[in-house]
Amino acid sequence: AQSVSQHNHHVILSEAASLELGCNYSYGGTVNLFWYVQYPGQHLQLLLKYFSGDPLVKGIKGFEAEFIKSKFSFNLRKPSVQWSDTAEYFCAGYGNNRLAFGKGNQVVVIP
Amino acid sequence: DVKVTQSSRYLVKRTGEKVFLECVQDMDHENMFWYRQDPGLGLRLIYFSYDVKMKEKGDIPEGYSVSREKKERFSLILESASTNQTSMYLCASSWAGGGRYGYTFGSGTRLTVV
Repeated sequence: AQSVSQHNHHVILSEAASLELGCNYSYGGTVNLFWYVQYPGQHLQLLLKYFSGDPLVKGIKGFEAEFIKSKFSFNLRKPSVQWSDTAEYFCAGYGNNRLAFGKGNQVVVIP
Repeated sequence: DVKVTQSSRYLVKRTGEKVFLECVQDMDHENMFWYRQDPGLGLRLIYFSYDVKMKEKGDIPEGYSVSREKKERFSLILESASTNQTSMYLCASSWAGGGRYGYTFGSGTRLTVV
């Protein structure tokens, strides 16, 4: 099964700063990796996903993630954050017929 | 759009009560899942189901059971609620084998056990 780990649970940024959230995965066969976002009071939404091909994946709302096989990493990035990016972000990996989630990153963007 | 609907947004129950959390999806998905979400712990899988009357234990099944009598409905049961089951409960669904493309989540039920 795919397991993932996230670091730096709380992140506080000013608007226009760049954001990078780390995600490391353990190899469990085919690689299927995801980033989800949960805005305050809302349900989990898919930001982006990676299966194969171009290791740089573009998602919604200006987010992107890079799959680096040699580092077992799938880090999420956004060049310039906005106040509306305040949310909790979860990395997830699919394997053994289930999604396994990391512990999440709480991101607060200060106007 | 696929909809996953959880019957209650907020619930308050007493210790020892039997609690039912209901989840319904409207896209004929084969797979359904129950997770609990706790601060600093992320989402942890409780149970999942591939098909009607099928169920599999997830990572933290203790104290929970599930029921899937119809394809669209997946119920999570707390046989005797305890305070350590106070949490946000999330239901999700996907096509068979489609979980690799991601899940669709409901809005969650915040359960408080007092």
